[in-house]
Amino acid sequence: GAGVSQSPSNKVTEKGKDVELRCDPISGHTALYWYRQSLGQGLEFLIYFQGNSAPDKSGLPSDRFSAERTGGSVSTLTIQRTQQEDSAVYLCASSLTSGPSYNEQFFGPGTRLTVL
Amino acid sequence: AQKVTQAQTEISVVEKEDVTLDCVYETRDTTYYLFWYKQPPSGELVFLIRRNSFDEQNEISGRYSWNFQKSTSSFNFTITASQVVDSAVYFCALSERGGNQFYFGTGTSLTVIP
Repeated sequence: GAGVSQSPSNKVTEKGKDVELRCDPISGHTALYWYRQSLGQGLEFLIYFQGNSAPDKSGLPSDRFSAERTGGSVSTLTIQRTQQEDSAVYLCASSLTSGPSYNEQFFGPGTRLTVL
Repeated sequence: AQKVTQAQTEISVVEKEDVTLDCVYETRDTTYYLFWYKQPPSGELVFLIRRNSFDEQNEISGRYSWNFQKSTSSFNFTITASQVVDSAVYFCALSERGGNQFYFGTGTSLTVIP
C-alpha cells in the first residue's frame, strides 16, 4: 500500500469489553509506533517496535494495554476491559529505520475509539 | 515537565495574512531533532519538516518558513499569505538522540478565514 493503514476507522464499544486495533505499516518500514490522541490534546506515545527487538512499552498507560507486531509487519493494539477514559483516536506511524531521530514518521488515519 | 510547548491553542487569521506558530522545547541533549506536522480536518498527520540541532539555518519552502533558535529553544513556523487550505492543527515535536519516541506539543489550531 501507499501509506500506513489502520482498521477499523471507528470503533464504538461498551465499558468492560476488549478491543483490538490494527495497523499495517508502509512496506519496508522497520519501525512502528502507536500513539493516543485525546480530544484537544497532543499525541501521547504508547509503544514502539523496531524489527525483532524487544518493544519499548514505556508509554503504555496501564496493564490493560498491550501490543504485538507479527512478522515485523502488522501490529495489533489490544485494550482489555475498556474504560471511558480510553476514548481517543489511536494513531499508528511507521518509519524507514530505527529511531525517530533520523527519519520522519508516516502516520495512518487513526482509529477513533469510543467507550460508552 | 512538558518537553514541547505550543502556547497558542487557537489562531484565526484572514486569508492572505501571515501567521507564526510558536514552539518552545526543552532538552538536555546536545543532539536532538525537531519536527512540524500538519493535521488537517481529515485527521491524518502530514510531515512538514525535520531539523537537527546542529543546523540552525532557517528554511523556506514556498509559503512556509521555519526559524530555529537554539538560544531561546524555539522552532517557530511561519505561513506567508495564508490560504484556507492551511486550516489545520499544527504539531511541533522533539526527538532526542537515542530516544524511541517523539514528544509532541499540544498543537495549535489554525483557522484561515476566507
